[in-house]
Amino acid sequence: KQEVTQIPAALSVPEGENLVLNCSFTDSAIYNLQWFRQDPGKGLTSLLLIQSSQREQTSGRLNASLDKSSGRSTLYIAASQPGDSATYLCAVGSSNDYKLSFGAGTTVTVRA
Amino acid sequence: EPEVTQTPSHQVTQMGQEVILRCVPISNHLYFYWYRQILGQKVEFLVSFYNNEISEKSEIFDDQFSVERPDGSNFTLKIRSTKLEDSAMYFCATPWGGAGYTFGSGTRLTVV
Repeated sequence: KQEVTQIPAALSVPEGENLVLNCSFTDSAIYNLQWFRQDPGKGLTSLLLIQSSQREQTSGRLNASLDKSSGRSTLYIAASQPGDSATYLCAVGSSNDYKLSFGAGTTVTVRA
Repeated sequence: EPEVTQTPSHQVTQMGQEVILRCVPISNHLYFYWYRQILGQKVEFLVSFYNNEISEKSEIFDDQFSVERPDGSNFTLKIRSTKLEDSAMYFCATPWGGAGYTFGSGTRLTVV
């Protein structure tokens, strides 16, 4: 069974600082890995999708890396803004059935 | 990113009552999933639906749960006799663009 762990559980930084969010998973036989953003009481917004054959994906200030052999992914958010405050979820897609296994998330607070 | 629409956004029901949660996924997709998130916990897989049949279900998806595609486009998740522990956010999701997922905005179910 795939286990996904996210560290840290919470993070508070001043505006402008870069953010580093970590995700680890136990089974390296993955199909893909997806990072989501979740605002309180809201749904999941997809940020980045990395296929198992890829090493990284970038979108604007966001960059996600994937090291499948070591079971790790890192989400970098450059020059953080108060609007980046949210919970960030890492989800690993199974190569067998494509269903996602989620981490518990990292709750980010960016102070103005 | 295409949209997945869920209704209602919030449902309050008495314990023992039946509830039906509805989802309109991305059109023409054969794969369809339901996930749930109990407050403060991880997002967890409930059931996957492929080509009008259940393809996999989790341990959570017991006989009280059922999923249907009543009219060829909408999907429903029915809970026959709700329990307090069924209180959660319920999300439907479909894959898009290289098998990443799009999630609906969710239905918050509160069982009292």
